[in-house]
Amino acid sequence: DIQMTQSPSSLSASVGDRVTITCRASQSISSYLNWYQQKPGKAPKLLIYAASSLQSGVPSRFSGSGSGTDFTLTISSLQPEDFATYYCQQSYSTPHSFGQGTKLEIK
Amino acid sequence: QVQLQESGPGLVKPSQTLSLTCTVSGGSISSGSYYWSWIRQPAGKGLEWIGRIYTSGSTNYNPSLKSRVTISVDTSKNQFSLKLSSVTAADTAVYYCARVDTAMGDAFDIWGQGTMVTVSS
Repeated sequence: DIQMTQSPSSLSASVGDRVTITCRASQSISSYLNWYQQKPGKAPKLLIYAASSLQSGVPSRFSGSGSGTDFTLTISSLQPEDFATYYCQQSYSTPHSFGQGTKLEIK
Repeated sequence: QVQLQESGPGLVKPSQTLSLTCTVSGGSISSGSYYWSWIRQPAGKGLEWIGRIYTSGSTNYNPSLKSRVTISVDTSKNQFSLKLSSVTAADTAVYYCARVDTAMGDAFDIWGQGTMVTVSS
């Protein structure tokens, strides 16, 4: 099974900050990497698929990059509604595992 | 637009079988290049992929659950289902159904709202 490791596990930032979250796979997953945002009591929401493709309706301040084993999610200018938990997920091979999550909190 | 809705008992006794159904509305479960999947999340913890099914009936399961999981599809009802046998307290979680879009590299592009299942006597 492929293990996904996110860093950091938690992050404090201010509105307007640029934030980067990292995800590392235990083996190469090409570009089969997806990012989700989850708010308390809600289902996860797809932000980025195939490492760098922005899901329809998602603000352009979200971007993804990487391939192979190392990936990043960047939020260019944090907005109040962006404070949430973010998960990466590999869809290269089953079981389609998730990272442990990064909780983004207001500083 | 396509929506997913989970349904089933919120309380299951230990050693019994957890059964959930996901109803797809706003589109046919058989249209397009999609898989249909189940994911779960214990309170305060991360997401765990349970398995997926294609409308042909082809399935993939998480090896950690494989001996206890069955996912099935009923295209006539536009539904797919999850059965998890021999449950314990460790199976207490919010269970989500989701659509897997193969055109998006198998990303989960649509999710149900989730349903809480508690395993307790």
